[in-house]
Amino acid sequence: GAVVSQHPSRVICKSGTSVKIECRSLDFQATTMFWYRQFPKQSLMLMATSNEGSKATYEQGVEKDKFLINHASLTLSTLTVTSAHPEDSSFYICSGVTGPITDTQYFGPGTRLTVL
Amino acid sequence: RKEVEQDPGPFNVPEGATVAFNCTYSNSASQSFFWYRQDCRKEPKLLMSVYSSGNEDGRFTAQLNRASQYISLLIRDSKLSDSATYLCVVNAPDKLIFGTGTRLQVFP
Repeated sequence: GAVVSQHPSRVICKSGTSVKIECRSLDFQATTMFWYRQFPKQSLMLMATSNEGSKATYEQGVEKDKFLINHASLTLSTLTVTSAHPEDSSFYICSGVTGPITDTQYFGPGTRLTVL
Repeated sequence: RKEVEQDPGPFNVPEGATVAFNCTYSNSASQSFFWYRQDCRKEPKLLMSVYSSGNEDGRFTAQLNRASQYISLLIRDSKLSDSATYLCVVNAPDKLIFGTGTRLQVFP
């Protein structure tokens, strides 16, 4: 199956700092990438959908100025959590699809963010 | 009402047991359905897609009832390695909606 990597796998930062998370499709070109967030004992919640070369589409309630998404190439998307606060501590997971948005999504291993 | 609802469990079963999970969804326009497996602190992994005619993959059987908006997963001959959280996922229609998952613990 298709492989997606994320970096870093874990990050601890101070409140007020910004954190960048990279999502890479290693053996396929991801026309669309998705960013999810999962709080403990809760389901994955879609934050935004990004298409290469265009602006991301954010889900209701997700602040686009706080969660900056850049999808600069068909193999790389980045999520930057700006001015992070403790309530942003969560498990962030990306996924990519090779074709239409309804295709099987391949998930990255996730990034665990802890904001002190 | 949640878009995708699952019993959170946990289901504690002995090795070799048969266990069934259920899921209901609210969007009647949904076209694609999946079961994912998620281990603790890991990403979800696709277990199987769910088709209208029902489908089987080894010890796993998935069924879909569109009229009742209901999906099921049956695991036969449970193994210790089946211990995980099973996520019911619905494509609705341009994004995936995840249930909160049902936790399964298989004991020796």
